[in-house]
Amino acid sequence: GAGVSQSPSNKVTEKGKDVELRCDPISGHTALYWYRQSLGQGLEFLIYFQGNSAPDKSGLPSDRFSAERTGGSVSTLTIQRTQQEDSAVYLCASSLLAGVAYFGPGTRLTVL
Amino acid sequence: GESVGLHLPTLSVQEGDNSIINCAYSNSASDYFIWYKQESGKGPQFIIDIRSNMDKRQGQRVTVLLNKTVKHLSLQIAATQPGDSAVYFCAENFSVRGTYKYIFGTGTRLKVLA
Repeated sequence: GAGVSQSPSNKVTEKGKDVELRCDPISGHTALYWYRQSLGQGLEFLIYFQGNSAPDKSGLPSDRFSAERTGGSVSTLTIQRTQQEDSAVYLCASSLLAGVAYFGPGTRLTVL
Repeated sequence: GESVGLHLPTLSVQEGDNSIINCAYSNSASDYFIWYKQESGKGPQFIIDIRSNMDKRQGQRVTVLLNKTVKHLSLQIAATQPGDSAVYFCAENFSVRGTYKYIFGTGTRLKVLA
């Protein structure tokens, strides 16, 4: 079956521009996670959705970062006024309530 | 705690030898644990999982050991192959106010030497 998909796969933007990253979770998965991974480093938790609500936003690094999820499915991570330190791979994962989290291929964001 | 931008430790293993990757988890209430493998340019992929009511689980060439007393998890890979070269992450899952959260370890880079 279809896995988690993310778009775009690569995004190059100029400093100060806004970007939107999209995640399509596995159908029926109620939980959705966003992580950030800098080159050669570990996974940094950003935000977690259960259905359409986000009970844990503790990982969002600043108020420039926001995310929403609609219809218990697609999620969008928005970064406003991008900075060079936002450059990273943004990974999305989804799971059933208490099951294995399956990851998408990620979106590589480069801020020039 | 959370994995936040830390340099990855590296384990170098000769092809054909066994590999052991270790992970210390943070929350004694965690009841579900997963090992992921991440190859270059890809998202993490599920390898094997274990629940807290078990202390060992075996898969194909992989074994996960759980020691709840010291909050330690290990992944053993038998007869390591070049295709095993990747970064390996452990993840713990626990319930927070009725929802479930994953916390990832810092990751270990496995290099298989020919």
